Amino acid sequence: SQQGEEDPQALSIQEGENATMNCSYKTSINNLQWYRQNSGRGLVHLILIRSNEREKHSGRLRVTLDTSKKSSSLLITASRAADTASYFCATVLTYNTDKLIFGTGTRLQVFP
Amino acid sequence: ETGVTQSPTHLIKTRGQQVTLRCSSQSGHNTVSWYQQALGQGPQFIFQYYREEENGRGNFPPRFSGLQFPNYSSELNVNALELDDSALYLCASSLGGGPYGYTFGSGTRLTVV
Repeated sequence: SQQGEEDPQALSIQEGENATMNCSYKTSINNLQWYRQNSGRGLVHLILIRSNEREKHSGRLRVTLDTSKKSSSLLITASRAADTASYFCATVLTYNTDKLIFGTGTRLQVFP
Repeated sequence: ETGVTQSPTHLIKTRGQQVTLRCSSQSGHNTVSWYQQALGQGPQFIFQYYREEENGRGNFPPRFSGLQFPNYSSELNVNALELDDSALYLCASSLGGGPYGYTFGSGTRLTVV
């Protein structure tokens, strides 16, 4: 079963705009990770945030984690056409660290 | 440093046949996990191998089996293929288990007809 749900399911923006995707989960986590997938191919690891962290940055990416609300958000600033992809959050549970549990994904379309 | 390599890239099989998918893990990584991703869905965990032993399994039937070799490469075997097995199969390697990020391969697209 999917632990995470992402919102929105699809997002269309213009180049230069910011894109925000949200992820909610159900069970206590060790960490939460965000991945990008281009055209149904392999997943690319973007960022990992641990349960005791609240915010992390990597280039144009900003991830927040609110464990009290069991939610995370991914912000991509100054979007580019090359950011067009599906974005997935994945959780690693506190007591079962052998797997990633993926959400349903957000399809981001960035128009030039 | 090489990433994760999967072969073949695409595969078409007939219902009832058996298939073997292969994965070479990233250099230095000792853990390999396999995921199944149906069209339009997030990946689903199949199982994980750590130092040649199965280290966790998802909700998949026994006809899904795997191996990890001393060089940490891995195989996923699926027997008695069903139409619903059509999916993208992703291999991911990591150093240790879940508390780290994973490196994914480009996947094998399996079509069962």
